[in-house]
Amino acid sequence: EADIYQTPRYLVIGTGKKITLECSQTMGHDKMYWYQQDPGMELHLIHYSYGVNSTEKGDLSSESTVSRIRTEHFPLTLESARPSHTSQYLCASSDPADYNSPLHFGNGTRLTVT
Amino acid sequence: GNSVTQMEGPVTLSEEAFLTINCTYTATGYPSLFWYVQYPGEGLQLLLKATKADDKGSNKGFEATYRKETTSFHLEKGSVQVSDSAVYFCALITGNQFYFGTGTSLTVIP
Repeated sequence: EADIYQTPRYLVIGTGKKITLECSQTMGHDKMYWYQQDPGMELHLIHYSYGVNSTEKGDLSSESTVSRIRTEHFPLTLESARPSHTSQYLCASSDPADYNSPLHFGNGTRLTVT
Repeated sequence: GNSVTQMEGPVTLSEEAFLTINCTYTATGYPSLFWYVQYPGEGLQLLLKATKADDKGSNKGFEATYRKETTSFHLEKGSVQVSDSAVYFCALITGNQFYFGTGTSLTVIP
């Protein structure tokens, strides 16, 4: 029943490659997020957006960048992948007009950099 | 500041056992509280929520009550199943910002 989609689900790539993780949502939510989830399960906010043309850095410093050209689309890019980027990346969205709106998550992209 | 503290795992239970995962929070304002569940290889799914003091959220046999006096939102289930094996996250929203606990891994054995 997920209305937020991430591709690819799994990605194995060599060091130095440029990659883009895709995230799209069909709920019309203005606010979108990227979380990095470490093997210990803890979630770290790396980027978020309030809406089109808005991007902000999160709590965890990241070498990735994001863009928000359309409401429904929030891709994350790594210009030069390194083994330290190996992790699970989760995209989420919420409706900021609803004070109690929960986060809606995609199924994640598991990235392995060799 | 705002934060969520939840019971460290991993937790291993036999099928049909009673489950409690503790969650306490610190927050300014009037937060809403959530429990999320993450099955292996998937993203987080909203399990239940409560938006004000004394509210009880419930779903799929799980329950949690928003206790303002003890700043707690403990997750309970009377009889766990193997299919409940997952990681559970307690979370809150306040001031339009989300805060997550570190997750508790639950394994239910037949």
